[in-house]
Amino acid sequence: DGGITQSPKYLFRKEGQNVTLSCEQNLNHDAMYWYRQDPGQGLRLIYYSQIVNDFQKGDIAEGYSVSREKKESFPLTVTSAQKNPTAFYLCASSRTGGVNTEAFFGQGTRLTVV
Amino acid sequence: QQQVKQSPQSLIVQKGGISIINCAYENTAFDYFPWYQQFPGKGPALLIAIRPDVSEKKEGRFTISFNKSAKQFSLHIMDSQPGDSATYFCAASGRGSARQLTFGSGTQLTVLP
Repeated sequence: DGGITQSPKYLFRKEGQNVTLSCEQNLNHDAMYWYRQDPGQGLRLIYYSQIVNDFQKGDIAEGYSVSREKKESFPLTVTSAQKNPTAFYLCASSRTGGVNTEAFFGQGTRLTVV
Repeated sequence: QQQVKQSPQSLIVQKGGISIINCAYENTAFDYFPWYQQFPGKGPALLIAIRPDVSEKKEGRFTISFNKSAKQFSLHIMDSQPGDSATYFCAASGRGSARQLTFGSGTQLTVLP
């Protein structure tokens, strides 16, 4: 059963802590993405990766870091530098090249600062 | 800079009515315009998509209308059902291998029974 798996579903972070959100896909997609969703603001791109060991900043990369050591995995670390991390985080993947490259999304991780 | 503007923010429609959501874009390099549907607590899922070389695409009760000269596109949901109640996002992507999506701000649709 192919798809994207995000874990955990809910995550609580204390002030000053770094936390890592997991994203794994078995769709054999080259491209992976992290989006942040806040109420009334749609989805904003944090980071994306087109190939293993390469990634680029999106629109709101400050306070976040990623790695892409394996094609299947694209973990996101929310660092203590991110001042307002409470949000719903969505991971996606797609094929590269071509026009109709549908992005498939995971079920999301809801991060709350306590 | 918001490159894809979506309206309305919320929409309430009676069962059987037509739901219309509008989007406008600025970047003329965009060449792929999908609509995503999201239920609470879930990730978005592709609903329907269009390329700018056609003016309309229909899939079941869902239709995208596209106006390239006005840089606008819209989603029409015919015979709206309570099960259609969700948040809808328009999006756009442009030329280049990454093709990352730029999303509109979303429309929360409620279909009353």
